[in-house]
Amino acid sequence: AQTVTQSQPEMSVQEAETVTLSCTYDTSESDYYLFWYKQPPSRQMILVIRQEAYKQQNATENRFSVNFQKAAKSFSLKISDSQLGDAAMYFCAYRGFTSGTYKYIFGTGTRLKVLA
Amino acid sequence: DAMVIQNPRYQVTQFGKPVTLSCSQTLNHNVMYWYQQKSSQAPKLLFHYYDKDFNNEADTPDNFQSRRPNTSFCFLDIRSPGLGDAAMYLCATSRDRISYEQYFGPGTRLTVT
Repeated sequence: AQTVTQSQPEMSVQEAETVTLSCTYDTSESDYYLFWYKQPPSRQMILVIRQEAYKQQNATENRFSVNFQKAAKSFSLKISDSQLGDAAMYFCAYRGFTSGTYKYIFGTGTRLKVLA
Repeated sequence: DAMVIQNPRYQVTQFGKPVTLSCSQTLNHNVMYWYQQKSSQAPKLLFHYYDKDFNNEADTPDNFQSRRPNTSFCFLDIRSPGLGDAAMYLCATSRDRISYEQYFGPGTRLTVT
């Protein structure tokens, strides 16, 4: 069975600094997607960035980038020039195709605090 | 704006009293999902609808049911809520089964007294 592990329950970063959130996963599939979702307090979860497993190039979205290490099954999120609005719960998620259906599996999340 | 709406945002029910949570979407997406998110835990998929095709996760308790009367609406019914069912319930949609991106509603926080 696939698993997603976020080992950092909470992280803090100074405004304008860079922070990296860790995620590891386990799967026997070769084709899958990985995601980082952001869940601000009392607001809905939104997609931050995605990575297709077959792509070697790391995905980038403005200040957000990932370090995808397929062999190590590692998928970390780097936030550059952190802003107060980045404070949220961040979930790493995996999507694979198992038993004839797509499966989404989320990690337990990392709460990011941004210090002014 | 097109969105996923969940009502109510906060729901209190009594132990054993049936409760229904609702989700609506203006995205015209084919797939609707229900997740349960307990405090400090990962969102856990309960089931999803692909159009009218219901797909239950193997470990979802029978106490949880769902209905999708049309494309826009999806309901989560908890027949006999227990204290352990207190959680945030998240509704999400995706355009189709292949589409990777899910759009989430704000969630309904369920309290069981």
